[in-house]
Amino acid sequence: GAVVSQHPSWVICKSGTSVKIECRSLDFQATTMFWYRQFPKQSLMLMATSNEGSKATYEQGVEKDKFLINHASLTLSTLTVTSAHPEDSSFYICSARDQGSGSETQYFGPGTRLLVL
Amino acid sequence: DQQVKQNSPSLSVQEGRISILNCDYTNSMFDYFLWYKKYPAEGPTFLISISSIKDKNEDGRFTVFLNKSAKHLSLHIVPSQPGDSAVYFCAASDWSGQFYFGTGTSLTVIP
Repeated sequence: GAVVSQHPSWVICKSGTSVKIECRSLDFQATTMFWYRQFPKQSLMLMATSNEGSKATYEQGVEKDKFLINHASLTLSTLTVTSAHPEDSSFYICSARDQGSGSETQYFGPGTRLLVL
Repeated sequence: DQQVKQNSPSLSVQEGRISILNCDYTNSMFDYFLWYKKYPAEGPTFLISISSIKDKNEDGRFTVFLNKSAKHLSLHIVPSQPGDSAVYFCAASDWSGQFYFGTGTSLTVIP
């Protein structure tokens, strides 16, 4: 079955540094990947939709200069949290659509837990 | 391989009847299970959860059942309403806090 991986699974960094999170589709091609952030009560907020070879589409209220998304290939999207601050500490999850399946099925990654000190 | 599976990509139910969404998992180390509801172009919204020390958790019209021996999770919605039409994801987590999601089941409640 399709698998989506994220790296790293945990990251602790100092305030002001940048952190890059990778999302990979392991056995399928994903023209579209989604980035989510988990909020209290465990709901996931859609941050942006990442399309291979084009600019990401950000949801309202998400700073595109702070959360840089790059989808350079059909199997990899990256989210870079620039100049991270403690309030950016959260759980970030990506998901990917299987281009070849013709369906709307989304495969989620296991998430990346970010702690900014 | 997928550690959490939802084998039914879609389900249609008449309004007022029971909707049963199923989820299977492979990792016996999972100790917390969740159900999310997702509308198009939105992030998944948390619906209900259950820890591995329980076998049932109820919240209004939503009940989650956990069968640890079968590694099976189900969500019952009764009575089903048209507003329940959405994609439902089950998820599981272990001690590390990582989440493992199923691929979702699209529920359509027919008025």
